[in-house]
Amino acid sequence: DAGVTQSPTHLIKTRGQQVTLRCSPKSGHDTVSWYQQALGQGPQFIFQYYEEEERQRGNFPDRFSGHQFPNYSSELNVNALLLGDSALYLCASSWGYEQFFGPGTRLTVL
Amino acid sequence: GQQVMQIPQYQHVQEGEDFTTYCNSSTTLSNIQWYKQRPGGHPVFLIQLVKSGEVKKQKRLTFQFGEAKKNSSLHITATQTTDVGTYFCGSTDAGGTSYGKLTFGQGTILTVHP
Repeated sequence: DAGVTQSPTHLIKTRGQQVTLRCSPKSGHDTVSWYQQALGQGPQFIFQYYEEEERQRGNFPDRFSGHQFPNYSSELNVNALLLGDSALYLCASSWGYEQFFGPGTRLTVL
Repeated sequence: GQQVMQIPQYQHVQEGEDFTTYCNSSTTLSNIQWYKQRPGGHPVFLIQLVKSGEVKKQKRLTFQFGEAKKNSSLHITATQTTDVGTYFCGSTDAGGTSYGKLTFGQGTILTVHP
């Protein structure tokens, strides 16, 4: 049984560009959450998707948007990239209270 | 929203010594979760506590939830080099169900010297 997978592993973009990150949840999980983890910090909640709807959102600007597909996979889109968006982006899937994290996508904005 | 503060930020121990990290909140928490993140890895769920005064053990790891549900601790007995990593506490704001924003503390980085 595959765990949570994310793509790509690494990504380099320049300021002002747009990026799309992808996540496939663990089999049987219907809820996907996205987190941003800056170097040396704890993960910060971006938003959570359930039944293709954004259920909760953290303190992130509208430049951060997402989508969940009928197969529960999810995308995170970030527009107008800033240098400060450089971070590890983690996807976590869950069915109960335990969250299973993917390996993350390392985004570098130059 | 709720915030959780974690101390210490760093802890260096000799192999065999004990280690404790603490998580504190100014508000009552509905639950506390603990995660471990190895260097270069991703957070891995360790445990969830929901009851006041709850204590749970996993081999050398002991987790406690305070009576007032405002603090928690993770204690590792006789550390091993495999314990190296960052330990995060976190809490959801929806009673520990599958939904709810998980708020993490800043983490404690544990280094174990052989």
